[in-house]
Amino acid sequence: DAKTTQPPSMDCAEGRAANLPCNHSTISGNEYVYWYRQIHSQGPQYIIHGLKNNETNEMASLIITEDRKSSTLILPHATLRDTAVYYCIVVSEAAGNKLTFGGGTRVLVKP
Amino acid sequence: DGGITQSPKYLFRKEGQNVTLSCEQNLNHDAMYWYRQDPGQGLRLIYYSQIVNDFQKGDIAEGYSVSREKKESFPLTVTSAQKNPTAFYLCASSIGRFNQPQHFGDGTRLSIL
Repeated sequence: DAKTTQPPSMDCAEGRAANLPCNHSTISGNEYVYWYRQIHSQGPQYIIHGLKNNETNEMASLIITEDRKSSTLILPHATLRDTAVYYCIVVSEAAGNKLTFGGGTRVLVKP
Repeated sequence: DGGITQSPKYLFRKEGQNVTLSCEQNLNHDAMYWYRQDPGQGLRLIYYSQIVNDFQKGDIAEGYSVSREKKESFPLTVTSAQKNPTAFYLCASSIGRFNQPQHFGDGTRLSIL
């Protein structure tokens, strides 16, 4: 699986959009980009995933660059409950659907 | 409501004892997974099962055992051979295809007395 690189932490103002970057420069053609988040002492929560097209759901939007080497998770209107660690993960069929969690980005939403 | 139930939420074990963590899902998912998380770290895969009566070792299987006798259930036994069992244990399930997400339970926190 391709490795991912994320900033270790970032702050965001409540009500503003939060843009979380992720680098995955070694991603291959059939690998998906997934985003999960983990609020303290809870299990990870699935947010969104995509292959090459931009995706949007009720929680967030995922923007994948044309060369697929990086992506951005957008939380359109951050709330205090969005404070969590956000993980960007690349998944391949060859890895048997295994999720490999890196360090993630610790997002703090401030009032 | 469909979901994944892990029990108990907190578990204490004496050294030298085996202990079994429960994971049940009613999502009709074929695949189930066990992960371990240490403080400040990401998750590491212990075992996974893609179908009933079959399972594979993950990255850190030593000292753990699993069974998959029913589609809904995937219990994890932490044996006395696991040298450092204190951790947060997370169970997940999925349809089983890599382009579909895994969904997680709320975890069991295991501590050694």
